[in-house]
Amino acid sequence: DIQMTQSPSSVSASVGDRVTITCRASQDIKNWLAWYQQKPGTAPKLLIHAASNLQSGVPSRFSGSGFGTDFTLTIRGLQPEDFATYYCQQTNSFPFIFGPGTKVDIK
Amino acid sequence: QVQLQESGPGLVKPSETLSLTCTVSGGSISSYYWSWIRQAPGKGLEWIGFLSYSGGSTNYNPSLQSRLTISLDTSKNQFSLKLRSVTVADTALYYCARASVVLELDVWGKGTTVTVSS
Repeated sequence: DIQMTQSPSSVSASVGDRVTITCRASQDIKNWLAWYQQKPGTAPKLLIHAASNLQSGVPSRFSGSGFGTDFTLTIRGLQPEDFATYYCQQTNSFPFIFGPGTKVDIK
Repeated sequence: QVQLQESGPGLVKPSETLSLTCTVSGGSISSYYWSWIRQAPGKGLEWIGFLSYSGGSTNYNPSLQSRLTISLDTSKNQFSLKLRSVTVADTALYYCARASVVLELDVWGKGTTVTVSS
């Protein structure tokens, strides 16, 4: 099975900051990677699919990049509503494992 | 737009079978792929399994495969999860979701909490 890691596990940031989250796959997943945002008490929300494609309705301050095994989610100009936990997920091969998550909280 | 709603018992006894249903509204279940995901209290997301729109193809998390069945009922626009021989470790918030073009989960239900306890 493909294993997914994320770093950092948590990050403290201020409104307006740029935040970068890294996701690494244990083997080549090409661009079969999605990013999700989850706020407490709510279901995850899809942000990015195919590593770099912004889901409809998601603000353009979110962006994704990467191919193969290393991927990045960047939030430019962090907004109060962006404080949440972020998960990556590979959809290259079953099982479609999620990363352990990165919590973005207020500094 | 498409909406998903999980339903099922909130409490299940150890060793019994956990049964959940996801009802799809606003669209046909026969056009996409479907998944179950769970989240133990205070933990991350765990992918449970995946079902093709025809119901003819399923893929399960190996850690659950021996106890798990996911199936489709196109007549009711529903898909379901059955997890046998549950333990307290199966206590979690269970989500159903739609898998889209590159199998990303683009529509989620609100989730339903299942507690395993005697």
